[in-house]
Amino acid sequence: GESVGLHLPTLSVQEGDNSIINCAYSNSASDYFIWYKQESGKGPQFIIDIRSNMDKRQGQRVTVLLNKTVKHLSLQIAATQPGDSAVYFCAESWGTGKLIFGQGTTLQVKP
Amino acid sequence: GAVVSQHPSWVICKSGTSVKIECRSLDFQATTMFWYRQFPKQSLMLMATSNEGSKATYEQGVEKDKFLINHASLTLSTLTVTSAHPEDSSFYICSATQRQAYNSPLHFGNGTRLTVT
Repeated sequence: GESVGLHLPTLSVQEGDNSIINCAYSNSASDYFIWYKQESGKGPQFIIDIRSNMDKRQGQRVTVLLNKTVKHLSLQIAATQPGDSAVYFCAESWGTGKLIFGQGTTLQVKP
Repeated sequence: GAVVSQHPSWVICKSGTSVKIECRSLDFQATTMFWYRQFPKQSLMLMATSNEGSKATYEQGVEKDKFLINHASLTLSTLTVTSAHPEDSSFYICSATQRQAYNSPLHFGNGTRLTVT
């Protein structure tokens, strides 16, 4: 299968600070991208998505940036809270509807 | 809305037995469901795409005879791990989407933790 994972990198931030999680995607033909949050023992939870005709999209406390030139996606979380501690995955899709997941980043929020 | 339910949430079985995992879309018709597998501290790996009323499409390297997928209705897909072995122990997660909802987020179940002893 695709997206063979490595052990997840960790980002540690202080409560109240902003977090930036980065993702490099693999397929230049990808036209749809999603960020998911996964808590221990649970399935991924949708956070925010963006289509390839956009370079920025904002949600509540979250912003996704897309740079198609370098195939890079980022998730910014404002005023990070302890409840934001989880593993964050980017996922990409092109044409077929199936989602391919990126490596993932563990976010640890220190009180 | 868009709730996906997966059952069981965890299962322990003996080596050589088969285990069936169910994935249901509770409030929408899921013409397509996807099955993923996740090892500890790793990403989700797509195993197969399941379309209602047709054969599943398996990703490269996934044994179709070992991981049997059935999508008999618009709200239910099942994954059967046949003749399970300890190396099949993993977290299996399903997701579902509606055909008309291309380029909309997949909704995921809460996964099934399979342990083969």
